Parts: sequence; C-alpha cells; structure tokens
Amino acid sequence: QKEVEQNSGPLSVPEGAIASLNCTYSDRGSQSFFWYRQYSGKSPELIMFIYSNGDKEDGRFTAQLNKASQYVSLLIRDSQPSDSATYLCAVKEAAGGGADGLTFGKGTHLIIQP
Amino acid sequence: DVKVTQSSRYLVKRTGEKVFLECVQDMDHENMFWYRQDPGLGLRLIYFSYDVKMKEKGDIPEGYSVSREKKERFSLILESASTNQTSMYLCASSFLAGGGDTQYFGPGTRLTVL
Repeated sequence: QKEVEQNSGPLSVPEGAIASLNCTYSDRGSQSFFWYRQYSGKSPELIMFIYSNGDKEDGRFTAQLNKASQYVSLLIRDSQPSDSATYLCAVKEAAGGGADGLTFGKGTHLIIQP
Repeated sequence: DVKVTQSSRYLVKRTGEKVFLECVQDMDHENMFWYRQDPGLGLRLIYFSYDVKMKEKGDIPEGYSVSREKKERFSLILESASTNQTSMYLCASSFLAGGGDTQYFGPGTRLTVL
C-alpha cells in the first residue's frame, strides 16, 4: 500500500523566516509529486509540482525532490502570516501520463507568527 | 481559470437514504476524481474516471458508486447512506499537459448522515 508521511505539526515559524516542510513516500514507482495548500474550511489548491530530482523554484516557494531517499520537501522563503495553512504532500505513480488518483499525506499545519 | 463546482456545500441526510453528489468542471478535462477528507485520515480516493462512462476504483470504494454520462459531470452516489459516511467530499478534475496531471479541486460538500 502506498504511503505518504508528513509531520502533522503544528510547525511554528516566525514571520520572514524560512519554513521547511518535509514528506516521505513509500512507493519507489512514484513519479510525480505535488504540494497543495489548504486553508481551514477550504479545498486544497496547488502550489507546485515536481518530477525530477533536484530543486524547482517558483517565487517564494522551492520544491526539492530526492528519489533515492524517497523524500520531497517544500521551502517557503520570507514566510508571511497568510502562509499559515495546512500543506499537503501528494504523490502519483504514473510518470505524468495516465489518469490515476493522488495519494495524499495527512498534512502539516504551518503557523507563521507575526 | 479552471472551475470545478459541486452541487451543495452542506448536506444532511438520514441513514439509509440514497445520496447524490454532483460535480461539474468547465475546462474540458478528461479526468475526474472523488475524494473524502476526514480529520486524522487525510484525503482518500474513492473513485476516478478518465473518460465518459469509464470508472476506476480508488482506495475506498466500498459503499459508493459513480456515474459519468457527460465529460463535464461526475456524480458520486451513496446507495444507502450510513453514519460512517459523514465526511467532507471533494471532487477534482485534471488533464494531461505540460503541467502533468495536475488536479484542481472543487469547494467540497460537507455531508452529515444522521
């Protein structure tokens, strides 16, 4: 059974600092990795996806993937109070193609302290 | 912008009732998904569909069925609702493109079964 593990938190980070969110996955066949943000009472919204080993940057967000270690992370630079939310890591087996559902971690609750 | 809509934000039903949850997307996406989200369990895939009239079981299909008669519409059916189906239900859609199989979520339906 595919598993995606995240520390549930809460993770408390001062405003302006770097928030680091981590995720490990069990299925070595996983090829696509996604980070979603979910505010309380709202549905998940996509932040980033990554397929290749290494780093991928988008504004204040950087996703990092290490397939050998089965590890994905999300860095948020210059953290803002509006970044306070639950961050969901999601993994998909198919290499970008073929419909398949995502396997989600349970999420990390991030709190940015003003 | 991608828009995924769900027929109800809140729904209250009685045990044994047949329940229909409707989802519509307006971006001509091939793939559609139904998840449920529960505290401590995260998001779990119930069913998905990659084409009209096609359906695939997810991780927790028991007690549910689905229908996809038109490309834009994907319905989740609870044949005989039970209290353990009280949950937040999230619909998502996706298409295969340069961004991979990125899933976009609707606002969710919070179902309470009494």
